[in-house]
Amino acid sequence: AQKITQTQPGMFVQEKEAVTLDCTYDTSDPSYGLFWYKQPSSGEMIFLIYQGSYDQQNATEGRYSLNFQKARKSANLVISASQLGDSAMYFCAMSPLGRDDKIIFGKGTRLHILP
Amino acid sequence: KAGVTQTPRYLIKTRGQQVTLSCSPISGHRSVSWYQQTPGQGLQFLFEYFSETQRNKGNFPGRFSGRQFSNSRSEMNVSTLELGDSALYLCASSLVRQGAYEQYFGPGTRLTVT
Repeated sequence: AQKITQTQPGMFVQEKEAVTLDCTYDTSDPSYGLFWYKQPSSGEMIFLIYQGSYDQQNATEGRYSLNFQKARKSANLVISASQLGDSAMYFCAMSPLGRDDKIIFGKGTRLHILP
Repeated sequence: KAGVTQTPRYLIKTRGQQVTLSCSPISGHRSVSWYQQTPGQGLQFLFEYFSETQRNKGNFPGRFSGRQFSNSRSEMNVSTLELGDSALYLCASSLVRQGAYEQYFGPGTRLTVT
């Protein structure tokens, strides 16, 4: 069975500091994709970054990077130079590659950026 | 390219009523998934439709149903509403990216059952 675990229900970080949001996963699929989404208070889920299990390099998208450690089954999101607008709920998600199955989400981490 | 749209954005219903929510995916996306999000349970998968067929289903009672039309637009219906059905209902359309389903979400419909 597939499972995503986000162990930090909430985090408080000072503006301009870097933030690491933890995500571990469990799957028996040999290939899979990992995602991070941001959900501001408005409710809309915003796609941030994607990492394929076969990718040799960690994914980066602007201030977002994914610290992918396959052997440890972890896919932590790193936000550099945090901004007040980064305050939101963050979800880690996973879907298998090559077969039709649903994407599964972790329970999320609520990030608060302090001025 | 227009994003995923959901209507209505807000809805208030009373117990026992039924409700229909609508979702229009991004043009060209054939897969539409529905999620229920509540503070207590987090994001829970309801079902996924692909080419008018339900392809995956979560663990929800039969009061929750859905369908997809030939233009990929999807509707979900909840009959005999209960107070616990109050939630944000999110729709997502999917793009297959290197074999994985990358989902793009709509703004959600916030349903309140009184």
